[in-house]
Amino acid sequence: GQNIDQPTEMTATEGAIVQINCTYQTSGFNGLFWYQQHAGEAPTFLSYNVLDGLEEKGRFSSFLSRSKGYSYLLLKELQMKDSASYLCAVVDSNYQLIWGAGTKLIIKP
Amino acid sequence: GAVVSQHPSRVICKSGTSVKIECRSLDFQATTMFWYRQFPKQSLMLMATSNEGSKATYEQGVEKDKFLINHASLTLSTLTVTSAHPEDSSFYICSAREAAGINEQFFGPGTRLTVL
Repeated sequence: GQNIDQPTEMTATEGAIVQINCTYQTSGFNGLFWYQQHAGEAPTFLSYNVLDGLEEKGRFSSFLSRSKGYSYLLLKELQMKDSASYLCAVVDSNYQLIWGAGTKLIIKP
Repeated sequence: GAVVSQHPSRVICKSGTSVKIECRSLDFQATTMFWYRQFPKQSLMLMATSNEGSKATYEQGVEKDKFLINHASLTLSTLTVTSAHPEDSSFYICSAREAAGINEQFFGPGTRLTVL
């Protein structure tokens, strides 16, 4: 079966750095997305990785290792507005998005 | 960037009535649109995939006669929840993809359905 694993909840302090991990087992791989979702809102795109390595975009970075079936989202200089759920999603061989359950990130002052 | 709208954003209806939700791609043509449902504190659950001009493909466990999907044009897809019941209360989100082989999906803002 297809499976995406990410922690259910994480807590971090404003101004700090947090890393949210995602491991996957899917039938094929055509890329991995990270989305941010605030409560009651639709997901918004953060990053897309299809090759191994680190993609940096401002305070957010995303890393992918295809051989390990592993990705992480790194958030630096955390702000209170970063409190949200972060969803990892993998594109399988049929170009379908397989979603993780999301990681709820709580930022404390 | 690509924009997807949904209407209505929030709807409250009585049990037994039908509710139609519209999803529009505003500045691009969407060959494929997706309908998701999300219950509180849970992840997105894909309900169906629709390609313009053809019948939608429903995920296992989703009743096609209850959740009617129409994708009549490249910019509009509709989801009709027929004979809605309280257990259908959920957050319904559509997304659109511009063309086959392009992976990114652009999400609408979602529709909060409450069935009394």
